[in-house]
Amino acid sequence: QSALTQPASVSGSPGQSVTISCVGTSSDVGGLDSVSWYQLLPGKAPKLLIYDVAKRPAVISYRFSGSKSGNTASLTISELQAEDEGDYYCSSVTKRTTLAAFGGGTKVTVL
Amino acid sequence: EVRLVESGGGSIQRGGSLRLSCAASEFTLNLDYMSWVRQAPGKGLEWVSVVFPDGTASYADSVRGRFTVSRGTSKNTLYLQLNSLRVEDTAVYYCAGDTHSSSRADYWGQGTLVTVSS
Repeated sequence: QSALTQPASVSGSPGQSVTISCVGTSSDVGGLDSVSWYQLLPGKAPKLLIYDVAKRPAVISYRFSGSKSGNTASLTISELQAEDEGDYYCSSVTKRTTLAAFGGGTKVTVL
Repeated sequence: EVRLVESGGGSIQRGGSLRLSCAASEFTLNLDYMSWVRQAPGKGLEWVSVVFPDGTASYADSVRGRFTVSRGTSKNTLYLQLNSLRVEDTAVYYCAGDTHSSSRADYWGQGTLVTVSS
């Protein structure tokens, strides 16, 4: 069982926005601003989309954005495209262990 | 663009050992924090181990005492020694690295599959 809780799946039509939640506790998501989001596409290396809750690496599209409220972090994908279909994972530093924790992953389907 | 390439995966029986290797395609960056992350079939990601700039390392509870991570003498190289393998260690093992933090990874390999049979 993952330390962080994500919905199993979300879906949206091309051009729409989807938001993925990542629910933790005050010992991880809520207490530290070290939430990251990763994209896993079949046959490709994982990709860092967001770090430190809302920062975006230079090579990542503006369509990906992150936020946090209390113990819940969120990833929003705007202007959804077919190429966005894949699995998305949140990760957070936790006060309980020296290694970061992952969420269970969310499958994004583009209708 | 820095790319990481893993090698050393394969099929092995329970109780056996394997050594995974990871090498970066270029050396313009210092990947001060390098990690191994795995994904079991049909499961999510799990951070297995991270090595810090001073050479110390941390491990997941599930592998502590059985796996050992180490840096190579070449820049941006990483190894993972897997001993006393269990069926539940079956997974794709990804090498990952970052220049600033142990809790995220900006650079990833495509993974190498380890299959442990009973």
